[in-house]
Amino acid sequence: ETGVTQTPRHLVMGMTNKKSLKCEQHLGHNAMYWYKQSAKKPLELMFVYNFKEQTENNSVPSRFSPECPNSSHLFLHLHTLQPEDSALYLCASSPSAGSTDTQYFGPGTRLTVL
Amino acid sequence: EDKVVQSPLSLVVHEGDTVTLNCSYEVTNFRSLLWYKQEKKAPTFLFMLTSSGIEKKSGRLSSILDKKELFSILNITATQTGDSAIYLCAVEGGTGTASKLTFGTGTRLQVTL
Repeated sequence: ETGVTQTPRHLVMGMTNKKSLKCEQHLGHNAMYWYKQSAKKPLELMFVYNFKEQTENNSVPSRFSPECPNSSHLFLHLHTLQPEDSALYLCASSPSAGSTDTQYFGPGTRLTVL
Repeated sequence: EDKVVQSPLSLVVHEGDTVTLNCSYEVTNFRSLLWYKQEKKAPTFLFMLTSSGIEKKSGRLSSILDKKELFSILNITATQTGDSAIYLCAVEGGTGTASKLTFGTGTRLQVTL
């Protein structure tokens, strides 16, 4: 275990549903990240939080809404998603953002949008 | 439980040297092995390997997979200071929607003048 957990591990949702992905890290890190890994595409950075403040939003559609209530928890709220949003969503954490510290990845949530 | 182990954890070399980074894995229902280069932002994709013995090459970087011995190596020849980064290995395992990606903790490479 890397110290980063994600729930649920698998999620199937309809386009009109609202769901949330959860990430928790037990490493005492201050930076947390959401990534999207689509089939046959490079890993895409979505959001970065550093000390609970969002420092990066890589032109992510508003149907994805992140929330970081504290340095240990990160959520990704989903609503009115599209089938092309089906992907593996990975959470990672590191001691701080913008440095060359290793990012520790969670196991991911496999999302299928019907 | 799926596991990815990278070695060495860190490495310092002189510009021009050749380096070999190692990644060994244990995974259920192997699908692919991926190498990433991580600098200050998101990891950037380098290679995806699915078949044993076929070398993938991109400039000074190359990688090969051994599915029998469950490892992969990433070679960098004629290293440059711009190669300094953390190199991550990840393995995708599982079937269909149950697949997941397991990352190693990375090898930190520093190339000095």
